[in-house]
Amino acid sequence: ETGVTQTPRHLVMGMTNKKSLKCEQHLGHNAMYWYKQSAKKPLELMFVYSLEERVENNSVPSRFSPECPNSSHLFLHLHTLQPEDSALYLCASSHQTTDTQYFGPGTRLTVL
Amino acid sequence: ILNVEQSPQSLHVQEGDSTNFTCSFPSSNFYALHWYRWETAKSPEALFVMTLNGDEKKKGRISATLNTKEGYSYLYIKGSQPEDSATYLCAWHNTNAGKSTFGDGTTLTVKP
Repeated sequence: ETGVTQTPRHLVMGMTNKKSLKCEQHLGHNAMYWYKQSAKKPLELMFVYSLEERVENNSVPSRFSPECPNSSHLFLHLHTLQPEDSALYLCASSHQTTDTQYFGPGTRLTVL
Repeated sequence: ILNVEQSPQSLHVQEGDSTNFTCSFPSSNFYALHWYRWETAKSPEALFVMTLNGDEKKKGRISATLNTKEGYSYLYIKGSQPEDSATYLCAWHNTNAGKSTFGDGTTLTVKP
């Protein structure tokens, strides 16, 4: 199933830039997630939204700011990032937070 | 066990070999256990969701078992093929937290 899309697929930004990652799902799901996967590290859950309300924030630095304007869209706003924030950022969605998650293709972020 | 652990971390087998790996999770407050396959340059894809103790699921050459009382699940691949090369992730859902906890994954490489 390829019902979760992410844009952009690749992003290179400087430490002083502000950018946003976008995730969109048309699966009728109520929960959406942001994950980070750094090189040779496991998948890290960043944020969970259920019915447009943030239900999980895993001690993520404030330079990452999520936004869920409706059940189909999820954004990750980025500002003053550090080189160590370079990673693959994956979005996922599910019917409920305990259901199977469907992942997007990810955004490969490089911070210079 | 307080976390989700997967073993081994990586596995190299020859084409035609059968293999298996383990996901261990807390046995209390169990709700569901998911297995995902994550191929290089693709998104994680769901393989199985398992909810009942003793559950066995099968999809082609891949099967999984679940023991909720002792807190483990096995994933088996019969007659491994090069296209089975991927990272296999398990995700544990408990009844208290509305989110999943992923293991670090087992990376399987099948040599032709």
